[in-house]
Amino acid sequence: DTEVTQTPKHLVMGMTNKKSLKCEQHMGHRAMYWYKQKAKKPPELMFVYSYEKLSINESVPSRFSPECPNSSLLNLHLHALQPEDSALYLCASSQEDGGSWGTDTQYFGPGTRLTVL
Amino acid sequence: AQSVTQLDSQVPVFEEAPVELRCNYSSSVSVYLFWYVQYPNQGLQLLLKYLSGSTLVKGINGFEAEFNKSQTSFHLRKPSVHISDTAEYFCAVSGSARQLTFGSGTQLTVLP
Repeated sequence: DTEVTQTPKHLVMGMTNKKSLKCEQHMGHRAMYWYKQKAKKPPELMFVYSYEKLSINESVPSRFSPECPNSSLLNLHLHALQPEDSALYLCASSQEDGGSWGTDTQYFGPGTRLTVL
Repeated sequence: AQSVTQLDSQVPVFEEAPVELRCNYSSSVSVYLFWYVQYPNQGLQLLLKYLSGSTLVKGINGFEAEFNKSQTSFHLRKPSVHISDTAEYFCAVSGSARQLTFGSGTQLTVLP
């Protein structure tokens, strides 16, 4: 099973709302990622978790708050977003078995389409 | 630092014709190269990857790619495309860091 699931599929929120995106994988992967993808653009890395600890934060604004409650689950908490934050948010996971990091394949979920009004 | 250039933003091609999507990379260290496909309103799916060994890599859905170190290229090819191959294709590179660096993408449109 190479499936990464994401909920919700679509989300519309106002600038004062608080919402969360959820990502789950049951492949035993120990690295999980959040990406942001604007229309007709490649994914941009936001955060990387390795063994449930935040290892990379690509200077993402604090209105985005990641959380990794366990090795299978990754959340992205959203608060006071701006309209320009509207995008497809993709979650990915990879094995992270202690070998060469660059060789790991990242498996992507279907994404959450976020619209900020 | 590493970077990826996809030379063609859009490639239209007729059904059953061959196609080549071009990808060039730059990196100061050993590279690992990937091609991903993204269908409309979906996530990314791995087509194939080059880590080491044979420079000709075969992937899913009849796609293949050739790693050329001297030309720093990793072009994607398919001998005969189908309507269902219409999608966005991303070339990506990773090195010793955990990060994937993506190219800007190529929209492949297969025409009937």
